[in-house]
Amino acid sequence: AQSVTQPDIHITVSEGASLELRCNYSYGATPYLFWYVQSPGQGLQLLLKYFSGDTLVQGIKGFEAEFKRSQSSFNLRKPSVHWSDAAEYFCAVGLNNAGNMLTFGGGTRLMVKP
Amino acid sequence: DGGITQSPKYLFRKEGQNVTLSCEQNLNHDAMYWYRQDPGQGLRLIYYSQIVNDFQKGDIAEGYSVSREKKESFPLTVTSAQKNPTAFYLCASSFSGTPRTGELFFGEGSRLTVL
Repeated sequence: AQSVTQPDIHITVSEGASLELRCNYSYGATPYLFWYVQSPGQGLQLLLKYFSGDTLVQGIKGFEAEFKRSQSSFNLRKPSVHWSDAAEYFCAVGLNNAGNMLTFGGGTRLMVKP
Repeated sequence: DGGITQSPKYLFRKEGQNVTLSCEQNLNHDAMYWYRQDPGQGLRLIYYSQIVNDFQKGDIAEGYSVSREKKESFPLTVTSAQKNPTAFYLCASSFSGTPRTGELFFGEGSRLTVL
């Protein structure tokens, strides 16, 4: 079955430290890949997306993600975390033959220590 | 400003009651979606609609109903048949086609609590 896994439910980092959030997917072909961020009680905002080409993609708010086909991963990174980055992060995948519907991972809640 | 508006933001329901959540968009998007969010489970697709007067069941459609009479509107009814309706509900919209065509835009959500 197709699936998206975010192994870390919670992550706590210190402000200024680097961040990596993990995402693995299980699909037969390379899917479209996304990272969304959700502030408490809010909807989701797109951080970045990968369709094809360069496997390192840049997004908003200083985030980047790297697609690794051999590992079926699309990990999100940020070199220096700010307190305002505290939120929940969702990895999502879409397929070319499934309209614009996305399958989401379970999410990773990021907490930032001062 | 273009966007998606969900209402109400908070809703309380007694067991056995149907409730309807509103979702309106002015982005001229063809497709609209309803997701349910529970802690630790991410977002699960309830229903989606690619075009007016047509909609399809998602992964967890049981106990829910929708209509798509207008392009701008996609209301979700949580019926009394839904066994565990307490959740955060998110509406989204996009242009039709593949994910390459355009991203999903989300509303701010509606939190339903069954008393």
